[in-house]
Formats: sequence, C-alpha cells, structure tokens
Amino acid sequence: QKEVEQDPGPLSVPEGAIVSLNCTYSNSAFQYFMWYRQYSRKGPELLMYTYSSGNKEDGRFTAQVDKSSKYISLFIRDSQPSDSATYLCAMSLSNAGGTSYGKLTFGQGTILTVHP
Amino acid sequence: DADVTQTPRNRITKTGKRIMLECSQTKGHDRMYWYRQDPGLGLRLIYYSFDVKDINKGEISDGYSVSRQAQAKFSLSLESAIPNQTALYFCATSAGAPTITDTQYFGPGTRLTVL
Repeated sequence: QKEVEQDPGPLSVPEGAIVSLNCTYSNSAFQYFMWYRQYSRKGPELLMYTYSSGNKEDGRFTAQVDKSSKYISLFIRDSQPSDSATYLCAMSLSNAGGTSYGKLTFGQGTILTVHP
Repeated sequence: DADVTQTPRNRITKTGKRIMLECSQTKGHDRMYWYRQDPGLGLRLIYYSFDVKDINKGEISDGYSVSRQAQAKFSLSLESAIPNQTALYFCATSAGAPTITDTQYFGPGTRLTVL
C-alpha cells in the first residue's frame, strides 16, 4: 500500500463547477501538506501548502487537512478551463526545528479537465 | 532564463546503453532532487542531495546513480538502461532551512524512452 493515495481520475467538469480533489495517507507523522499543479509538458509547481490541520484559502482555492482522518482536500471554486491540469498532493515530515524536512511523498496525481 | 534546466529534454536509447541526465539551477539552492513520473504512479523520488557532500537514496534508487558536481549541478545516470526505465524524469531544487515549507521548484522534465 502506498503511503499517499490519490484517485487518478480523470475528472471532467463544466466551467464554473466546484471541484473537490482528495488524498488519503497512512503516515501520521506527516506535518506539511502541499498541492502541486502540473500543466501538460511542464514540471509541477506549488499551488498551496498547509501545516498540520485546518483550512487555508487562496482566491478560488481552498486546502483542507484533517489529520485525525488522515485526509486532505483541495477545493476549486468557479473552475475555469485554465485550471485543467494534473493536481498532485504531496506531504513531508517536520524536522527538529519545525520546518519541512524537504523530502516529499507524492500522490499519484488527478487529471482534471474543465470544459467551457 | 529558466531557474532549473534539464538536458536533454527528450532522449531515445537502447537497452544496455549508459545514459546521463543533467540538471542545472541558478536559484542558489542547496537541495536538489531527482524524480521519475509514470502514469498512475505519480512522482517517485530516486535520489536527493541536501548539499554537495550529502547524497541519499530515495524510494526507487536501484538501477540509478547520481553525481553532485557542484551546488548548481546534479546529474542522474542509468548505467545500463532497461525498458522499464522509460519515464518522465524531473529534477527539483529547494532552499532548505530556514524556509518553513522548503518548496521544491521543478525543471521542465526529460522524456526518456528505452527501446
């Protein structure tokens, strides 16, 4: 069993829909939770990060972490065709100083298409 | 100019050949990483280096080796390529401490096909 599980989709939604992307994980020691976005033929780029539990909002994007359930989510409101990409969740441990250890464990990635 | 560059961008080779993929960065970061990406498997860590003298195996290091020639350069070698090493390979860098999240910045990738 992989440490981080993510439904690969593909997920196809109409423009304006609310999109929910999810990951589950098994290692309760993970402290930093990230979402990367990868456009076709490009490298991944960091979209959002959350430390420990809770919500974080950035424009149309909201990241949620529920450590008790070992479950993280990314919500995209008012989805746009430009949101079409692969979304990867990633997690890391925390080092003694409380910062991210740096070594990431990724989910499989979810392919999202938003059609006009 | 891109902060993280990878060469070559595409490579087709034959089983048994030695292949080197190169990564250079101008971000001044100490940490560098090599990943491979396969459909349905996401990104898997091959090797990582937290500074020039520090090299660590990742999740799937068998069949690969690396060299950290300088802070800015990190190369991945396949000593004897095999078809199941056909994949998209990414290099990434991060600043390390004292940044909190240690965000990784990825290169554009190298598409490797082993026939």
